[in-house]
Amino acid sequence: DSGVTQTPKHLITATGQRVTLRCSPRSGDLSVYWYQQSLDQGLQFLIQYYNGEERAKGNILERFSAQQFPDLHSELNLSSLELGDSALYFCASSAGAPSSYNEQFFGPGTRLTVL
Amino acid sequence: GNSVTQMEGPVTLSEEAFLTINCTYTATGYPSLFWYVQYPGEGLQLLLKATKADDKGSNKGFEATYRKETTSFHLEKGSVQVSDSAVYFCALKERGNTGKLIFGQGTTLQVKP
Repeated sequence: DSGVTQTPKHLITATGQRVTLRCSPRSGDLSVYWYQQSLDQGLQFLIQYYNGEERAKGNILERFSAQQFPDLHSELNLSSLELGDSALYFCASSAGAPSSYNEQFFGPGTRLTVL
Repeated sequence: GNSVTQMEGPVTLSEEAFLTINCTYTATGYPSLFWYVQYPGEGLQLLLKATKADDKGSNKGFEATYRKETTSFHLEKGSVQVSDSAVYFCALKERGNTGKLIFGQGTTLQVKP
C-alpha cells in the first residue's frame, strides 16, 4: 500500500458526460501528479500541483482540468468525454518541492471506461 | 524533447534465467532515472533509481547502472522468479522545478516455472 488513495476504482460513463476523479496523497506530501495510461499513448504526465498551486502541465486536453485543495487532496475533472478518454488515470504524490529527487508514490488508479 | 525508449516485449523467460530489459533515454542536462514495476491490477511501484552518472540502483535482486556515455539505464536480474512477472517501466525525471516523470512504453515480463 503506497498510502495514496484514489476513488472511484472504476468508472463507466457515456460520451459527452463529465466525471471527477479524486486523489488523496500520502500524509504530509505536498506534491500531486496526475498521469494517464492508455494502450496507444502509454503512460503520460498530465498535470502537477504543489501545495495548492499548479506547477507543470503535460499533455492535458483543454476538456480536462484539475485542482488541489487546502487539505492537499486533488481532483481531476474530465468533461465532454470521448471514447478515446478511456484509460487508467493514476495519481502520485511526493514529499518536498518538485525539484527534489523524492520518490513519487502511485495510487492504484481509476479505470475510466467511456461507452 | 526528452524521451525514454525501452525494448519491446513481451519478454518470456524460464524461472532462474537472467533478465535484461534495455532502456535508453534522450534528455538535456542530467536527469534522474528510475525503474517502476506494475503488477497486474495495481499501481506503479518504484523498483530502483539513480540520480547521477555511474550510480547503480538496486533492489530485490534487480540492478541498473546510470550510463551517461551510452545514455542507458538497463535493468538486470541474475535469476528471475515467477513472482517477477509484471510490466516494467523505465522513466526519467528532468532537472528543474517540475518533478514530472517521462516514461518508456513499458516491457511485459512473463516468467514461466
